[in-house]
Amino acid sequence: EPEVTQTPSHQVTQMGQEVILRCVPISNHLYFYWYRQILGQKVEFLVSFYNNEISEKSEIFDDQFSVERPDGSNFTLKIRSTKLEDSAMYFCASSGLGVYNEQFFGPGTRLTVL
Amino acid sequence: AQTVTQSQPEMSVQEAETVTLSCTYDTSENNYYLFWYKQPPSRQMILVIRQEAYKQQNATENRFSVNFQKAAKSFSLKISDSQLGDTAMYFCAFIQPFMDSNYQLIWGAGTKLIIKP
Repeated sequence: EPEVTQTPSHQVTQMGQEVILRCVPISNHLYFYWYRQILGQKVEFLVSFYNNEISEKSEIFDDQFSVERPDGSNFTLKIRSTKLEDSAMYFCASSGLGVYNEQFFGPGTRLTVL
Repeated sequence: AQTVTQSQPEMSVQEAETVTLSCTYDTSENNYYLFWYKQPPSRQMILVIRQEAYKQQNATENRFSVNFQKAAKSFSLKISDSQLGDTAMYFCAFIQPFMDSNYQLIWGAGTKLIIKP
């Protein structure tokens, strides 16, 4: 069964460093998403991506964040200068045609900023 | 603004019992989709069940069923014959397509469900 994959599973970085979180969505999906979940808190939407551009982003997704689909298979989230409060679980998701289709989630990347 | 409320931070039941998790939401639209996701300790997000708002019939998936009350904006999840593997965080989520480009899932705060042996 096709699945969304994410790498790395755990990333530890120093405050101020750049990190890139990688996702491989399901191959025939067209919509891609990043969500984050700070430990013990609710899941928060970051950004959605369709047709090689951002279709929606939340207030969390400021200038420190960017997304890219560099090669038609990977979908990346970059945080330019990490802050302590960026420590969270980051989930990538993808869905097919029709936005109400199920969003399939990857296993998440745990980001720890020291 | 759309919101999702889960009023039970934590619930605990004995194995084989039935448990119901509550969820309410707020929207002024008529067409939307509701979901229950399960997040076990591994933190993987797994879809349990979904409900289309235009369908009157409640969705069921094996031991999981929902009680969808559209007028009351309520979407509860019933787990029958609960199993130890059901122990997880359960999130209610909502998506409302056809509003500009609003494709994001809106999440409740979650209910921690513990199944005791």
